[in-house]
Amino acid sequence: KAGVTQTPRYLIKTRGQQVTLSCSPISGHRSVSWYQQTPGQGLQFLFEYFSETQRNKGNFPGRFSGRQFSNSRSEMNVSTLELGDSALYLCASSSGQGGDTQYFGPGTRLTVL
Amino acid sequence: SQQGEEDPQALSIQEGENATMNCSYKTSINNLQWYRQNSGRGLVHLILIRSNEREKHSGRLRVTLDTSKKSSSLLITASRAADTASYFCATKTIGSSNTGKLIFGQGTTLQVKP
Repeated sequence: KAGVTQTPRYLIKTRGQQVTLSCSPISGHRSVSWYQQTPGQGLQFLFEYFSETQRNKGNFPGRFSGRQFSNSRSEMNVSTLELGDSALYLCASSSGQGGDTQYFGPGTRLTVL
Repeated sequence: SQQGEEDPQALSIQEGENATMNCSYKTSINNLQWYRQNSGRGLVHLILIRSNEREKHSGRLRVTLDTSKKSSSLLITASRAADTASYFCATKTIGSSNTGKLIFGQGTTLQVKP
């Protein structure tokens, strides 16, 4: 099976802009979770989508949002970008069953200038 | 907030030596997973251990779990230069057991010198 794919791999934006990141899970997986990784805060959970519904949400401001499509592909959007949003954004897919393994994509490196 | 704390933060060893990393967590878990990350790339899943398991092996990897101490350890035997990476433990808490949410530790940076 193909692994988790994320596009784009790199992005450079300026403050105030918005950005959309995409994640395609492993075929058959219905759960997609998003994480933000920064040197200061480490890996932090943003939110999870399962069967097109947000199932869990981390402690991030409303500028961070997401959605999932019927084919399980997911997008996350960050509006009104701030310098502190510069990070590696990782998505992970799983079958969605309790206690199963999360498989991560290569990440999108976002730089906000 | 981070669930896990990892120890040591950095580890440097020679090729062929064993590397041990420790992870402690705060709340009851459904499972604990170990991941490897090379140079800020994606996370590679190494091993998952469930709360009712005490030890698991996968190739050169050995993971132990002590739920009474809320701690886990990852042992890499006969290390290779290619093992140089950051290693993270991640927990799925009881409260999140039916979701995809993982809580990560800060990671251990391992350097294996040839």
